[in-house]
Amino acid sequence: ILNVEQSPQSLHVQEGDSTNFTCSFPSSNFYALHWYRWETAKSPEALFVMTLNGDEKKKGRISATLNTKEGYSYLYIKGSQPEDSATYLCAFMSSARQLTFGSGTQLTVLP
Amino acid sequence: EPEVTQTPSHQVTQMGQEVILRCVPISNHLYFYWYRQILGQKVEFLVSFYNNEISEKSEIFDDQFSVERPDGSNFTLKIRSTKLEDSAMYFCASSGQGANTGELFFGEGSRLTVL
Repeated sequence: ILNVEQSPQSLHVQEGDSTNFTCSFPSSNFYALHWYRWETAKSPEALFVMTLNGDEKKKGRISATLNTKEGYSYLYIKGSQPEDSATYLCAFMSSARQLTFGSGTQLTVLP
Repeated sequence: EPEVTQTPSHQVTQMGQEVILRCVPISNHLYFYWYRQILGQKVEFLVSFYNNEISEKSEIFDDQFSVERPDGSNFTLKIRSTKLEDSAMYFCASSGQGANTGELFFGEGSRLTVL
């Protein structure tokens, strides 16, 4: 069983704060790391697919970094807004192309 | 924008009954998946499907589960004899590049409640 851990489990921040959370995953048999954003009553939506060690991706105020050698990825949100409130899931894709999800970080941005 | 659609959105069934959950993936996608999330737990992989056959399945996907793509557009998950522990949110997903690193596009889920 692959261990994909996310921390913290939940997070409350004030509007305008910047925040970050962590995904740790096995450093062997790495193929890709996915980040998904999951709003309540909606389906998970892909944010990033990262494959290369040292990769950094950005979409608006959200960015992510990847360290495959030590098995972690950070997701950063700059200047959080209430609409950023969601659960952020990371998923490790192994060389067998199977995705294993973490349990998510639930972010609440307070106005 | 193309999307993955799932029906029903919620199904309540008695233990031991058969259930079929339906999904219409994005039309030009080739790889299809079922995941589930039991309330309060992680999203779990069930099965992946490519070229009209199962490519990977998890330990959860036992003989009670089956998938098929009967008509080239629908992708169904059947649970033959439901158990209480099958109660969960079931998500269908599709990808255009499942064998590579392509992102998954998820449907909004079908909530299954087994009584």
